Formats: sequence, structure tokens, C-alpha cells
Amino acid sequence: GAVVSQHPSWVICKSGTSVKIECRSLDFQATTMFWYRQFPKKSLMLMATSNEGSKATYEQGVEKDKFLINHASLTLSTLTVTSAHPEDSSFYICSARDSGTVSGYTFGSGTRLTVV
Amino acid sequence: RKEVEQDPGPFNVPEGATVAFNCTYSNSASQSFFWYRQDCRKEPKLLMSVYSSGNEDGRFTAQLNRASQYISLLIRDSKLSDSATYLCVVILENAGNMLTFGGGTRLMVKP
Repeated sequence: GAVVSQHPSWVICKSGTSVKIECRSLDFQATTMFWYRQFPKKSLMLMATSNEGSKATYEQGVEKDKFLINHASLTLSTLTVTSAHPEDSSFYICSARDSGTVSGYTFGSGTRLTVV
Repeated sequence: RKEVEQDPGPFNVPEGATVAFNCTYSNSASQSFFWYRQDCRKEPKLLMSVYSSGNEDGRFTAQLNRASQYISLLIRDSKLSDSATYLCVVILENAGNMLTFGGGTRLMVKP
């Protein structure tokens, strides 16, 4: 299957700062990427769907002004956590549709964000 | 009610044991079903698909019961390396083929 490269794998930032997480599709074009958040011992929760060249679609309860998503090219989607707070500390994972996999999706390796 | 529910565990079993996990889903229109494995602080990785006819892959057997809306995963002859969180995942194909995850069941295999 295809590979989705996600960076950074972990980041620690101070409260009030912004953090950008990148997901790149390698060797394939991802017109749609999905961003998930996972709190400890909890399920992956879909935050938003990122569409190349258009605005992202956010799930209910996710603040679009806080979690900025940009999908300016077919191989790159970014999630920026703005004015981060300790409660934003979580594991963020991106995913892209991949017809080459059984489930139809490939995941990035995830980013562990800690806000202090 | 959660769309996909799992017993969070943990299931603590000795090496060589057989262990089974169940998962229930609420939407009867769900079409595709999978078990994923997630190691600590890692991304989920597809373990196997689940079919009504059953699906076996080595020590792992998955089963779907559409009438009761539950999915099972059986692990035989548990290994230490099986320790992980197992996620039940459902796809609702008339809703954009989105993945819906259960909360996961944690398995700890001990020597």
C-alpha cells in the first residue's frame, strides 16, 4: 500500500503557541485526508476531512479556527493547532484514502503533542 | 449510545492462552468491518477484515454476526508480541465510506 508520512512524530510546546503537523502522501495523490485525535485510552475521533483545493469539513464540536487545516496540494495536508492549551495535548493522526489497502485507508505514524 | 462499542479491558492472559474480544455496532447499514491493532503511541495497523463467513489468518479468527450486530476476534496461542490494543472498525458505505473506530480493547499477554 501507499505511504503517508507524518511529521513531527512528537512535539512539546508552550501554552499559547501554535504547532503545525504535516502529512504527506508519498508516491500517490491524496485528494482527501482525514485528521483524527486520540486521547489516552480512548478511541480515534475524526476531527475533520481535508479536501485538496477547498475548505476542510469539520466534525461537530471541533473548532475550525483553532484547528486550521490546509490542503494546498495533492500530496500535503497540514493541521495547525493554534494557541495551544494543555487540554489540546493528544495524539493526532492523519489518514488518506488508499485503494491499494483492504480497508481503503492508510495512516500516518501519528504526532504526540504535549502542551505545557 | 456509541456507534461502535468494545470492552476496554485490559485482558491479562498468560502466553499460550486463547482470548476473544467482541465488538458491537449500532448502525445496521454498516457494510465493512475490520480489526486493527494499535501499539502504544503508534498508528493503527490493519489486522484483518471481518466477514459473515469468518476470516482466519494464522492464530487469528474474525467473525461477523450481522443479525446481532457484533464482531468477534479470537486469538489462539497468545504470544507476548500480541500485547496491544485491538480496535474494531466499521465502515458505513452510504456515509462516505468513513472509518468509525471502537474505543479499543487492551490485551496484555504475560509470560
